[in-house]
Amino acid sequence: QKEVEQDPGPLSVPEGAIVSLNCTYSNSAFQYFMWYRQYSRKGPELLMYTYSSGNKEDGRFTAQVDKSSKYISLFIRDSQPSDSATYLCAMSRGPNTGNQFYFGTGTSLTVIP
Amino acid sequence: GAGVSQSPSNKVTEKGKDVELRCDPISGHTALYWYRQSLGQGLEFLIYFQGNSAPDKSGLPSDRFSAERTGGSVSTLTIQRTQQEDSAVYLCASSSQWDTQYFGPGTRLTVL
Repeated sequence: QKEVEQDPGPLSVPEGAIVSLNCTYSNSAFQYFMWYRQYSRKGPELLMYTYSSGNKEDGRFTAQVDKSSKYISLFIRDSQPSDSATYLCAMSRGPNTGNQFYFGTGTSLTVIP
Repeated sequence: GAGVSQSPSNKVTEKGKDVELRCDPISGHTALYWYRQSLGQGLEFLIYFQGNSAPDKSGLPSDRFSAERTGGSVSTLTIQRTQQEDSAVYLCASSSQWDTQYFGPGTRLTVL
């Protein structure tokens, strides 16, 4: 079983739709959760970062962590064609634990104008 | 300011040849990570540097892979006797804090 599972999609939505992206994980020691956006032929860029359970909002993006279910989500409101990219979740046990990050396989999203 | 840069952007090599991939991190970033990204496989952790030392080499897939970092800055990932399964995008990331990584554009390696 992989440490982090993510549905690869592809996901295609009309402009303005609400998008929900999800990851599950198996290691209960994960404390820090991140979402990255990766455009084609570019490196990933950090979108959101949360610690432990709860919600975090940044503009049209909301990251949600449910540690009891080992489930994290990224919601995109009022999706735009410029949101078309691959979204990767990542998680870590935290500092002084080897500094290793575990990534999902990424979900490919297309927002249709 | 300048981000993480990697060179070459593309590399095509023949099976059995050695390749060197270079990463220039953001100035002042003490941590440097190498990842491999294959289609449908996500990011695979290879190695992590703190300064010039590599406290975590657990992700290197075989002894054909090695990496070094000099002067707390530039890092080189070397793959000896390349195999077709080494074909992937190799990504480098640097960080000044353990929780925020900045990625380079990657080197696309194709082994024929």
